Amino acid sequence: QKEVEQDPGPLSVPEGAIVSLNCTYSNSAFQYFMWYRQYSRKGPELLMYTYSSGNKEDGRFTAQVDKSSKYISLFIRDSQPSDSATYLCAMSSGGFKTIFGAGTRLFVKA
Amino acid sequence: NAGVTQTPKFQVLKTGQSMTLQCAQDMNHNSMYWYRQDPGMGLRLIYYSASEGTTDKGEVPNGYNVSRLNKREFSLRLESAAPSQTSVYFCASSEGPAGPPNEQYFGPGTRLTVT
Repeated sequence: QKEVEQDPGPLSVPEGAIVSLNCTYSNSAFQYFMWYRQYSRKGPELLMYTYSSGNKEDGRFTAQVDKSSKYISLFIRDSQPSDSATYLCAMSSGGFKTIFGAGTRLFVKA
Repeated sequence: NAGVTQTPKFQVLKTGQSMTLQCAQDMNHNSMYWYRQDPGMGLRLIYYSASEGTTDKGEVPNGYNVSRLNKREFSLRLESAAPSQTSVYFCASSEGPAGPPNEQYFGPGTRLTVT
C-alpha cells in the first residue's frame, strides 16, 4: 500500500465550477501537508501548505486537513481554464523527505 | 535569477550506457534533491543533499550516484542505464529541510528514455 493515495483522474469540469481534489495517507507522523501544481512539461510549484489539522484559504484555493481521518483536500472555487494542470499532494513529517501523491489531472473547459 | 536549471532537457540512451544529469541553483539554497516522476507513481526521491558536502539516499537510490559539487551544483549519474530508468528527472532545492516554510523549488526536468 502506498503511503499517499491520490486519484489520478482525469477530472474535467466546466469553467466556474468548484473543484475538490483529495488525498488519503497512512503515516500518522505526517504533519506538513502541501499541494503542488504542475503544468504540462514543467516542474511542480508549491501552491499551498498547511501544518497539522485545519483549513487554510488563499484566494480561490482552500486546503483542508483532517488528521483523524488521514484525509486532505484542496478546493478550487470559480475554476478557470488556467487552472488546468496536474495537482500533487505532498506530505512530510519534517526533515528532508517529502512523499508525493501520484497527482490528479484537472481540465477546466471554457 | 534563473532558479533551478537542469541539463540536458532530453536524452535517449541505450541499455548499459552511462550519463550524468546536471543541476544548478542560483538561490543560495543549502539543500538539493533529485526526484524521478513516473506515470501513476508521483515524484519519488532518489537522493538528496542536506548541505554542501553531504548526500543521503532517498526512496529509490539503486542504480544512481550523486555528487554535490559545490553549494550551487548537484549532479545525478547513471552508471549503466536500464529501461526501468526511463523517466522524467527533476532536481529541486530548498533553504533547509523540505517541509514548509522551506519551499522546494523545482527545475524544468530532464526526459530520459533508455532503449
